[in-house]
Amino acid sequence: DGGITQSPKYLFRKEGQNVTLSCEQNLNHDAMYWYRQDPGQGLRLIYYSQIVNDFQKGDIAEGYSVSREKKESFPLTVTSAQKNPTAFYLCASSIEDGRGYSGANVLTFGAGSRLTVL
Amino acid sequence: KQEVTQIPAALSVPEGENLVLNCSFTDSAIYNLQWFRQDPGKGLTSLLLIQSSQREQTSGRLNASLDKSSGRSTLYIAASQPGDSATYLCAAQGGKLIFGQGTELSVKP
Repeated sequence: DGGITQSPKYLFRKEGQNVTLSCEQNLNHDAMYWYRQDPGQGLRLIYYSQIVNDFQKGDIAEGYSVSREKKESFPLTVTSAQKNPTAFYLCASSIEDGRGYSGANVLTFGAGSRLTVL
Repeated sequence: KQEVTQIPAALSVPEGENLVLNCSFTDSAIYNLQWFRQDPGKGLTSLLLIQSSQREQTSGRLNASLDKSSGRSTLYIAASQPGDSATYLCAAQGGKLIFGQGTELSVKP
């Protein structure tokens, strides 16, 4: 079955450590996204990528980094520069129809990764 | 700057009731309006997508409407069931996809 796999589901980090969240999709989607979700808030975009080897900052990119070396994979690194990293992280993908950021296409989401800083 | 608001933040209804969830947005220059469902600790599942040229979309017991001129969308759920309990999020897509905070729905048996 096609879908998006995020791992790990739960992750604990000590202050000062970098951690990487995995996101893999087998939907043959060109575009991939990382969102952060905090209690009582809507999803906020961290980074997105419309094509391999290219990615763009979203609204809250500071303290995060990404790579897009393969179409199927879009890992997110939460660096020690991110001051408040405890959150639920969601990866998504969509068909890229050439209208830039996900013109009119439905996003498919992974199950999420919950990061807690100890 | 687009802002998306969902009111109320939480809603509790008895099983069988018809209900309406509200979504408002400040910038009417959108490509589409999307509704998602999120179960606790899970990712989002797309429910309905309404293109800017459309007025409504239907899927089973769900009906979503869009009124761009007033900056509003509603999600109508008919004959609610306990399995409908979840958080429902709307998102308006202009240059970016902007999410509301969600409405947490609880349907009591």
